Amino acid sequence: DVKVTQSSRYLVKRTGEKVFLECVQDMDHENMFWYRQDPGLGLRLIYFSYDVKMKEKGDIPEGYSVSREKKERFSLILESASTNQTSMYLCASNNDPPAGLNTEAFFGQGTRLTVV
Amino acid sequence: GNSVTQMEGPVTLSEEAFLTINCTYTATGYPSLFWYVQYPGEGLQLLLKATKADDKGSNKGFEATYRKETTSFHLEKGSVQVSDSAVYFCALSVSGGYQKVTFGTGTKLQVIP
Repeated sequence: DVKVTQSSRYLVKRTGEKVFLECVQDMDHENMFWYRQDPGLGLRLIYFSYDVKMKEKGDIPEGYSVSREKKERFSLILESASTNQTSMYLCASNNDPPAGLNTEAFFGQGTRLTVV
Repeated sequence: GNSVTQMEGPVTLSEEAFLTINCTYTATGYPSLFWYVQYPGEGLQLLLKATKADDKGSNKGFEATYRKETTSFHLEKGSVQVSDSAVYFCALSVSGGYQKVTFGTGTKLQVIP
């Protein structure tokens, strides 16, 4: 089975702290994604990466950065945490399918971050 | 751009009732369509998918048919159980470019005994 593992289930951080959320996948997937999930807003894409050291902004990248130094690991960084970044963060991964086809994403269990 | 619209929740049903959760989409190109489920405290799991028009995805008693003419992918189950209580997300991805998945806002289902 595909496994996507997020390093923490729950985190509590103070305003202004630098926060690292880690994600590791074990299926040699090329693409990795970070989403945040908020009530009434569903999942919104923050950043994604299609290769090592490559990254692309998603729909809501402000206040976040990412790092992908190894294929299996994708980190989300909150440079200076703020209370409006309190949310559930979900990591996902997938591969590029054969041309003309699409593929689903495989998700980690989520990290619930509270910024106080 | 691509978007997914789901019916607002929460939906509360009695056990063994019939379930429909509506989903419509807008997409450039030819999307694949998905339903994901999120149980309390967990991440998202793929429930079912359909990759082309008129395909029917099914799993665990849930079904959804890809209707290109109405741009819809409604989720149905004939008899829900308490264990089906979860949040359900409709989603799509489009071929070409990166394999980003676009999600709806989610519909919370509560099944009561």
